[in-house]
Amino acid sequence: AQTVTQSQPEMSVQEAETVTLSCTYDTSESDYYLFWYKQPPSRQMILVIRQEAYKQQNATENRFSVNFQKAAKSFSLKISDSQLGDAAMYFCAYRTAINEKLTFGTGTRLTIIP
Amino acid sequence: AAGVIQSPRHLIKEKRETATLKCYPIPRHDTVYWYQQGPGQDPQFLISFYEKMQSDKGSIPDRFSAQQFSDYHSELNMSSLELGDSALYFCASSFDRGVSILSGANVLTFGAGSRLTVL
Repeated sequence: AQTVTQSQPEMSVQEAETVTLSCTYDTSESDYYLFWYKQPPSRQMILVIRQEAYKQQNATENRFSVNFQKAAKSFSLKISDSQLGDAAMYFCAYRTAINEKLTFGTGTRLTIIP
Repeated sequence: AAGVIQSPRHLIKEKRETATLKCYPIPRHDTVYWYQQGPGQDPQFLISFYEKMQSDKGSIPDRFSAQQFSDYHSELNMSSLELGDSALYFCASSFDRGVSILSGANVLTFGAGSRLTVL
């Protein structure tokens, strides 16, 4: 069974600074997807960024980027120029073939310090 | 753009009562997933449907059942409610028909959730 591990229950960063959230996963599959979802106080689950395992290039979405290390099974999220609105719980998630469920990590609560 | 619609947004029930949650996926999406998120927990997968057939089953109690209808909306039925069933219930949908693992298209989009409180 696939597992996703987020070893940082809480992180904090000064506004405008950069922060990196860690995620590791365990799988025997070669093709899969990895995601970061954000859950703000509203509890809405919002997709931040996704990475296809077959792509060597790291995904980037504006201030959000990932460092995908397939051999190490590591998938970290970097948030640049942190903003107050980035404060949320961040979940790393894994998904294999089509019609498969998402498996979530335990989450990292990110606090932005003004 | 249309999103995943869940109803009701909030529901309060007594122990041993029954509750029904509804989910309307994004139009043309063919797969629906149900997740349960307890306080301070990560979302736990309950069940999923692809083209109106159950496609996967997770840690769903026997007291719970679900189905997907011909219009692709789904309902989660919970009976003999217990205090521990108090949680946020998410529905998510994706479009997977004919999509290979290499297409990069099948992202799960989540609804706003239904918060169930059992007293």
